[in-house]
Amino acid sequence: AQKITQTQPGMFVQEKEAVTLDCTYDTSDPSYGLFWYKQPSSGEMIFLIYQGSYDQQNATEGRYSLNFQKARKSANLVISASQLGDSAMYFCAMRESIQGAQKLVFGQGTRLTINP
Amino acid sequence: EAGVVQSPRYKIIEKKQPVAFWCNPISGHNTLYWYLQNLGQGPELLIRYENEEAVDDSQLPKDRFSAERLKGVDSTLKIQPAELGDSAVYLCASSPAGAPKPYNEQFFGPGTRLTVL
Repeated sequence: AQKITQTQPGMFVQEKEAVTLDCTYDTSDPSYGLFWYKQPSSGEMIFLIYQGSYDQQNATEGRYSLNFQKARKSANLVISASQLGDSAMYFCAMRESIQGAQKLVFGQGTRLTINP
Repeated sequence: EAGVVQSPRYKIIEKKQPVAFWCNPISGHNTLYWYLQNLGQGPELLIRYENEEAVDDSQLPKDRFSAERLKGVDSTLKIQPAELGDSAVYLCASSPAGAPKPYNEQFFGPGTRLTVL
């Protein structure tokens, strides 16, 4: 079963508009964490934002915010005032405990293209 | 502060040949990860080290893949012999022990893109 689902293979947005990237997850562990990473064409994964399952408030980091809806098991990334440099692959990931070890499980990603 | 360093960045080999990838984590990071990223997919964990000990290698295909982290710093991932299906990007990541944040952030290197012909 897919642990992390990103249903948008690609998104095209005009510069300066806000964009929401969808992520749903599946876990029975009451304690988990959700991450968003950005992967530009250079290849490295860049950490953007984190949300813990017990966090009361939605996480925010500059232009990034996470719309965490625990009952719906969704953790959508919102990028406000998009910029050309935001064009990249975006991955949602969940930290889960498996046999005492914590590991990150990634979704398939969404390719975001910002148009001038 | 230097990031995670990987080399080579690109490697092209013929099938059945051996290949090795090298990773130097961020100084002071005791946890090191190797991930496999197939085209159009998210990364998948191959192996995780805590210092020099491989604590999770359940996803590492041990018939052809091997890894080591001597002295708990640099790490090498080897494939012998390589197969066509091994063409992918191999990412290395590291994270510090006892992170001051409530989460264990992983810092990734740029990856090695392997092409097997």
